[in-house]
Amino acid sequence: GAGVSQTPSNKVTEKGKYVELRCDPISGHTALYWYRQSLGQGPEFLIYFQGTGAADDSGLPNDRFFAVRPEGSVSTLKIQRTERGDSAVYLCASSPRQGAYNEQFFGPGTRLTVL
Amino acid sequence: AQSVTQLDSQVPVFEEAPVELRCNYSSSVSVYLFWYVQYPNQGLQLLLKYLSGSTLVESINGFEAEFNKSQTSFHLRKPSVHISDTAEYFCAVISPSYNTDKLIFGTGTRLQVFP
Repeated sequence: GAGVSQTPSNKVTEKGKYVELRCDPISGHTALYWYRQSLGQGPEFLIYFQGTGAADDSGLPNDRFFAVRPEGSVSTLKIQRTERGDSAVYLCASSPRQGAYNEQFFGPGTRLTVL
Repeated sequence: AQSVTQLDSQVPVFEEAPVELRCNYSSSVSVYLFWYVQYPNQGLQLLLKYLSGSTLVESINGFEAEFNKSQTSFHLRKPSVHISDTAEYFCAVISPSYNTDKLIFGTGTRLQVFP
C-alpha cells in the first residue's frame, strides 16, 4: 500500500519568504509527526497530532513555525519569514494510533533550502 | 531530559565481517528504544525496537540489539554484514512516562560496507 508522502520533495526559497510543506499520512493512521533533520544530525522532533489536535508541539523552535491538520488526515507545516537556519530536511511520519510503542512510518522528506 | 549518544559517526567494515554500532541513552525514567535505518535515497525505516521483556531483540535481516539497563546502552550488532547493509543507522528513545510520542534521535552512524 501507499506509504507516507510529502510534497514538494525539494523547495528552494529566499530568506524572508513563507513556505508550506505538505504531508499525506498512511490511510487510517490517526497520529502524525513532524521532524526536522539538519545536515549531519539526527531527526529532531517538532510537533505531533492525534487526530486534528496537536498533542505535543514542544519542538517547534519559535512562533514562525506552525502546523495544522484540519481534517485529521493531511497536515501542512507552515514556516513564516524563513531564515537560512531553517534549511533542513523536514520529515513527516504517521502511526496507526497514538502510543509510544507504535511504529512511526516515515516519508521521504522535503528538502528545504533557504537562500 | 532524555538524550541519545552515538559516538561513532562512521563505521567502515568489509563484507562478511561483524559489526557493532554503539548507542547510549540518558533518561531518569523507563524507556522504549529503537533503531531506525536510512538507506541511500530512502526514508527512515524501523529496524528493531525494545519495549519490554527479553532484552535481546532481533530484526528480520540478521541485526540484533541488546538492552542493557545498567550501562544504559542499546548497541546494534550483526555477525556478518552485506554490501546492502550500507546505510545510516539512527538510535532513538521514547519515554512512555512522559505521555508523549516524540522520538529522541542520536546523530546517526554511517555504516559503509566494502567488498
